Amino acid sequence: ELKVEQNPLFLSMQEGKNYTIYCNYSTTSDRLYWYRQDPGKSLESLFVLLSNGAVKQEGRLMASLDTKARLSTLHITAAVHDLSATYFCAVEYNAGNMLTFGGGTRLMVKP
Amino acid sequence: DGGITQSPKYLFRKEGQNVTLSCEQNLNHDAMYWYRQDPGQGLRLIYYSQIVNDFQKGDIAEGYSVSREKKESFPLTVTSAQKNPTAFYLCASSLPGLAVSTDTQYFGPGTRLTVL
Repeated sequence: ELKVEQNPLFLSMQEGKNYTIYCNYSTTSDRLYWYRQDPGKSLESLFVLLSNGAVKQEGRLMASLDTKARLSTLHITAAVHDLSATYFCAVEYNAGNMLTFGGGTRLMVKP
Repeated sequence: DGGITQSPKYLFRKEGQNVTLSCEQNLNHDAMYWYRQDPGQGLRLIYYSQIVNDFQKGDIAEGYSVSREKKESFPLTVTSAQKNPTAFYLCASSLPGLAVSTDTQYFGPGTRLTVL
């Protein structure tokens, strides 16, 4: 059974600071997804990482994937309040685009 | 505009009632999914369908049922057998088998179900 763990579960940070969210998973997979969820809202796709060593960046967020370590990171650079949300990673576990989600990291960026 | 719609946005159910949540997509996606999200938790897969007239149980299918009679529609029924149905329900769709390298699952706005 595929297990996906994120840490930290909750992160409070000051604007302008850098931080990294970690996503570990238990079995082999080459595809990992990051989503953002605002309170009471649906999920918005951020990144799709399709191979070992993949790195994608959008604004202040950068995601990377190490399939050998079964680890993905979401790095936040110079955080701003608008990044406050819950971030989920999800790992594909068969060729049919089936995803197992991590428990989420709730990020609060304080002015 | 292409997208996924879910209705209703809020739904209240009495004990012992069945209720049906609607999910419609016009993205021409073959695959559709239903997830449940409890407060402060991640998403758990209830049912999925890769093609019309076919669907499979996910991790927490007990007390739920689905149908897939049309490509665009994938309704979820929460039956009275589901003992703790209060949750946020999300529908998603995708192209099958990740045919496009940047493909992901696209999510609807969700339905919040509360049992009275």
